Amino acid sequence: QKEVEQNSGPLSVPEGAIASLNCTYSDRGSQSFFWYRQYSGKSPELIMFIYSNGDKEDGRFTAQLNKASQYVSLLIRDSQPSDSATYLCAVTGATNKLIFGTGTLLAVQP
Amino acid sequence: NAGVTQTPKFRILKIGQSMTLQCTQDMNHNYMYWYRQDPGMGLKLIYYSVGAGITDKGEVPNGYNVSRSTTEDFPLRLELAAPSQTSVYFCASSLSEANTEAFFGQGTRLTVV
Repeated sequence: QKEVEQNSGPLSVPEGAIASLNCTYSDRGSQSFFWYRQYSGKSPELIMFIYSNGDKEDGRFTAQLNKASQYVSLLIRDSQPSDSATYLCAVTGATNKLIFGTGTLLAVQP
Repeated sequence: NAGVTQTPKFRILKIGQSMTLQCTQDMNHNYMYWYRQDPGMGLKLIYYSVGAGITDKGEVPNGYNVSRSTTEDFPLRLELAAPSQTSVYFCASSLSEANTEAFFGQGTRLTVV
């Protein structure tokens, strides 16, 4: 079982819609959870992090964490074509390792 | 603001050759990481370090070595290059492992032929 799993996509949504990206993790000791965005040919950049159960909102982005289900998600409201990228879920725990999932490719259609 | 600097940006190696990918950061971060990213895939952790003099293996360490003699520098060594090591390599650093952003270098595109 992979430590961090994501659906590779592509996830296609129309402009203005809500994009929902999901991630599951295997280590129950995981403590911090991150969403990174990576444009093609570029380096990953942080969108949000979350470490407590529940929701965390930042502008059009909402991260949701459910530790009991070992599940973290990212919602993007009012999706824009500029949001088209690969979204990487990452997790850290007691081992200090920052482990990434394989990423979900999001395509926002104008 | 330099942040995380990787060199070189591109490199072609012949099978069996060796090379060192350089990574340096000027943010006084304790944590540093090396990842590889194959086409259409996520980032796989090769090695990481939580401070000068301390390194540990990640998910895919075979064929690589690292050292961390200073806080700033975290070079990645490939001893006997193989075609399977063709990839894009990213170095990253963060202040700690929890609730802090990891900053990435621009990446090194390595081809082994």
